[in-house]
Amino acid sequence: DAGITQSPRYKITETGRQVTLMCHQTWSHSYMFWYRQDLGHGLRLIYYSAAADITDKGEVPDGYVVSRSKTENFPLTLESATRSQTSVYFCASSAVAGANDTQYFGPGTRLTVL
Amino acid sequence: DQQVKQNSPSLSVQEGRISILNCDYTNSMFDYFLWYKKYPAEGPTFLISISSIKDKNEDGRFTVFLNKSAKHLSLHIVPSQPGDSAVYFCAAWYTSGTYKYIFGTGTRLKVLA
Repeated sequence: DAGITQSPRYKITETGRQVTLMCHQTWSHSYMFWYRQDLGHGLRLIYYSAAADITDKGEVPDGYVVSRSKTENFPLTLESATRSQTSVYFCASSAVAGANDTQYFGPGTRLTVL
Repeated sequence: DQQVKQNSPSLSVQEGRISILNCDYTNSMFDYFLWYKKYPAEGPTFLISISSIKDKNEDGRFTVFLNKSAKHLSLHIVPSQPGDSAVYFCAAWYTSGTYKYIFGTGTRLKVLA
């Protein structure tokens, strides 16, 4: 199906474990983003990518790693998960990063770190 | 330092009446503003936007107003419908070296039938 998908939708892990959240889009959008949503903070940008092999930090990048070897995929890795990384994670994509920059969001991944 | 603020975490409105959601920002460099709507267990979806060179943009039941001098924008929904019950995020954008796309904390709207 066309669109933007995330997997898994739900994940429970333990402190110190490595976790990778997957994001896949079928529009060939240049830009992709990872956000986390926490109560009282809204959506905060973790990392973004302007194209394959081009990534940059957002507002809250510490503890996360991203890669983008293919335009359609943008995985987010928590190298050593901490309880403070318990959150809902959203992936998004957009065709451009301009004045009319509408982002299209995936359904989210709810991550719990015990 | 919250550059985009939605000071009302929740709002309840009767069906058929007007819903007004507010958003304040602190950075005068923002030059584009957007509203997103989010239902439970789904990602946000784009609703309406406005450029900083305008003071109003309308799309059906949804109108966004921008007051640059007050650094304030608002979303009006008229008439409100039960299906409008969702969390609404405002977002602001500008580019300066690094990409800046800042979301507010969200306002949960409940439209009562």
